[in-house]
Amino acid sequence: GQNIDQPTEMTATEGAIVQINCTYQTSGFNGLFWYQQHAGEAPTFLSYNVLDGLEEKGRFSSFLSRSKGYSYLLLKELQMKDSASYLCAVSDSNYQLIWGAGTKLIIKP
Amino acid sequence: IAGITQAPTSQILAAGRRMTLRCTQDMRHNAMYWYRQDLGLGLRLIHYSNTAGTTGKGEVPDGYSVSRANTDDFPLTLASAVPSQTSVYFCASSDSRTGGDTGELFFGEGSRLTVL
Repeated sequence: GQNIDQPTEMTATEGAIVQINCTYQTSGFNGLFWYQQHAGEAPTFLSYNVLDGLEEKGRFSSFLSRSKGYSYLLLKELQMKDSASYLCAVSDSNYQLIWGAGTKLIIKP
Repeated sequence: IAGITQAPTSQILAAGRRMTLRCTQDMRHNAMYWYRQDLGLGLRLIHYSNTAGTTGKGEVPDGYSVSRANTDDFPLTLASAVPSQTSVYFCASSDSRTGGDTGELFFGEGSRLTVL
């Protein structure tokens, strides 16, 4: 079956760096997405990786290793507003998105 | 700029009743989707539409139906609601002809449905 694994919850300190991991097993691969979802709100797009390597976008970076079925989202200079759930999703061979359950990130002052 | 509008925002429904969740987008996106989100689970695709006039079944289609008469509207109907359909429902769209391929999804604000 298809599976996306990510930690259920993480805690970090304001101003610090946190890495949220995502491992996947899917039938085919057409890219990996990260979305941010604040409590009670809709998910919003953060990043897309289809080739191996690191994609940097401001304070957020996303890394992909297709051979390992692994990605991470790196958040730098954490701010209180970064408290949210972070969703990992993989586009499979049929271009359907398979979603992880999300990682709830708690930022403490 | 509205993006995607869902209605109602929240609804409590008696089991056995029929319910239609509305979704309208003004971005002229080809593809539209309905997901449900339950605690501890990833978003699960109910139905999708790659273009107006076509629809397809997702991972959890049973008990739900959709239609796509035009580009902008993609309503989701529960013919006879059951308590297991209690969930938060998200409508989404993407500017993609094949669903998730590189197409960033734009989500509505969600419809919280409780079936008693």
